[in-house]
Amino acid sequence: KAGVTQTPRYLIKTRGQQVTLSCSPISGHRSVSWYQQTPGQGLQFLFEYFSETQRNKGNFPGRFSGRQFSNSRSEMNVSTLELGDSALYLCASSLSDGTDTQYFGPGTRLTVL
Amino acid sequence: AQSVTQLGSHVSVSEGALVLLRCNYSSSVPPYLFWYVQYPNQGLQLLLKYTTGATLVKGINGFEAEFKKSETSFHLTKPSAHMSDAAEYFCAVSAPGFGNEKLTFGTGTRLTIIP
Repeated sequence: KAGVTQTPRYLIKTRGQQVTLSCSPISGHRSVSWYQQTPGQGLQFLFEYFSETQRNKGNFPGRFSGRQFSNSRSEMNVSTLELGDSALYLCASSLSDGTDTQYFGPGTRLTVL
Repeated sequence: AQSVTQLGSHVSVSEGALVLLRCNYSSSVPPYLFWYVQYPNQGLQLLLKYTTGATLVKGINGFEAEFKKSETSFHLTKPSAHMSDAAEYFCAVSAPGFGNEKLTFGTGTRLTIIP
């Protein structure tokens, strides 16, 4: 079974631009979560989608948004990029079977100049 | 609310020696606990997890962890370190329940293996 895939793997943007990251979950997984990883703040939960609905949300500003499609694929959008948004963005999928076991993709490395 | 403390941001052990990575958690409900490993420029790989049942959990690559409720700990061990174990390790906690897909991570421990 294929794992979680994320595209693109690397992105370079400038301040003020917006960016969209994509995540395809493991087949059969209906929950997709997004995390931001930075050297200073570590791994932080952004949000989680299940059946096209945002079910959980972390403490990030409204510039960070996401959505999920009917095939469970998810996208994350960051508008008005700031230098501090430079990070590794990780997507994780799960069966949402009550065990909270999440499987992570390789991440998208975003650099904001 | 949940939180995780990983003692020691860097741990070095000799090849063949015992690996011990420490994790303490705080949770208002009986937690689910996880250990993930991250190799350079890669995502997180699940090593093992504790949900319910047996408190000694065995994972991949020879790692195991023991859930100790009285000590609020979930330390990761491996009897004999291998060079390929060099990576960053993250302990994570979640509050059980359907619809609560949110992991809270510790700050990570970078494991170095000395030849």
